Amino acid sequence: AQSVTQPDIHITVSEGASLELRCNYSYGATPYLFWYVQSPGQGLQLLLKYFSGDTLVQGIKGFEAEFKRSQSSFNLRKPSVHWSDAAEYFCAVGPRNYQLIWGAGTKLIIKP
Amino acid sequence: DAGVIQSPRHEVTEMGQEVTLRCKPISGHNSLFWYRQTMMRGLELLIYFNNNVPIDDSGMPEDRFSAKMPNASFSTLKIQPSEPRDSAVYFCASSLQRGGADNEQFFGPGTRLTVL
Repeated sequence: AQSVTQPDIHITVSEGASLELRCNYSYGATPYLFWYVQSPGQGLQLLLKYFSGDTLVQGIKGFEAEFKRSQSSFNLRKPSVHWSDAAEYFCAVGPRNYQLIWGAGTKLIIKP
Repeated sequence: DAGVIQSPRHEVTEMGQEVTLRCKPISGHNSLFWYRQTMMRGLELLIYFNNNVPIDDSGMPEDRFSAKMPNASFSTLKIQPSEPRDSAVYFCASSLQRGGADNEQFFGPGTRLTVL
């Protein structure tokens, strides 16, 4: 079955510390992978996406993610978080011409 | 481009009333998605249109929910009759589905529905 797992419901990180949000997927074909962010009271915004090529993908707001096929993972990272990064982060997997399969989301809390 | 436009942004109604949510996708996009987001269930896909045709409505909770896309620039999600458990944030998203790739979805700001 196709699925996306974000094992951490909440993560608390101190401002300025590094961040890694985990995403594992189960998908039968070559996946297209996405990370979206949802700030409080807002819609979702695309952070980055992986289709092919370099497995380390750079996104907006200083985020990056690494596709590891052997581990079926697409973890999101940021070297130093800012208070404005507090939001909910969604990982998603997509087939070529259809809708995305969404993870349950990870809520990021930033400690001052 | 103005992005995906949803109206209203907030809707408060009483149980049993009809509710209509509206969405204008990004011009040129050929796919449109309606989602529901709640604390308990997270983000759920309700229905997906491609070229104005409903492709997958398996996420529509029950017959009280219906969605239409009469043309490429407009879609509605209707709940009739509404119930308190329908209270949620409803998102519309659009994307350009080409032959190969690019499933990036652009989300609207959402409609927060409260059914009393």
